[in-house]
Amino acid sequence: LAKTTQPISMDSYEGQEVNITCSHNNIATNDYITWYQQFPSQGPRFIIQGYKTKVTNEVASLFIPADRKSSTLSLPRVSLSDTAVYYCLVGDNYNQGGKLIFGQGTELSVKP
Amino acid sequence: DAGITQSPRYKITETGRQVTLMCHQTWSHSYMFWYRQDLGHGLRLIYYSAAADITDKGEVPDGYVVSRSKTENFPLTLESATRSQTSVYFCASSDRAADTEAFFGQGTRLTVV
Repeated sequence: LAKTTQPISMDSYEGQEVNITCSHNNIATNDYITWYQQFPSQGPRFIIQGYKTKVTNEVASLFIPADRKSSTLSLPRVSLSDTAVYYCLVGDNYNQGGKLIFGQGTELSVKP
Repeated sequence: DAGITQSPRYKITETGRQVTLMCHQTWSHSYMFWYRQDLGHGLRLIYYSAAADITDKGEVPDGYVVSRSKTENFPLTLESATRSQTSVYFCASSDRAADTEAFFGQGTRLTVV
């Protein structure tokens, strides 16, 4: 299984862009990179997923360099409501047999 | 209503008792997962299932039993509850696993006294 490493915590202010980087040095060829967001007392929620280059949706962007050994979740103009824990997952259906393994996550705190 | 639901939302039980946490999804997703989350920590995979009648261990399976006789249900049983199993339990489902979106339930807060 590809191991992921993220910062434990980050602080930001409202209106700023936040970039959270995840390291996954032993990512396999078939692995996808997925980010989830979790608010207190709630289950995680899917944010974005990618395989290579850049992916953008209405919530975030995901930047993946050519070697795929890291990825960066970018949240534009954060607000207080973006305060949450963000998890980076790496994996595929086949080599892992379908497991979804979460790491420790990054606790993002957005201040006014 | 479409979605994934867990029951009960809150449960207090005594040490040594058997308790079952229920999880039901309405999408006919192939994959289902059980996680536990302890205060201030990330999610740890207990068991998962790729289809009805197919289950496999996750990271922390000891003390837990699962079954999946129907695609839509994935109950988690603590055969003899211990205080260390006090946690919040989340169920999730997905059409596939790592290369698609997983949907999580609201969680069951279990306290073992």
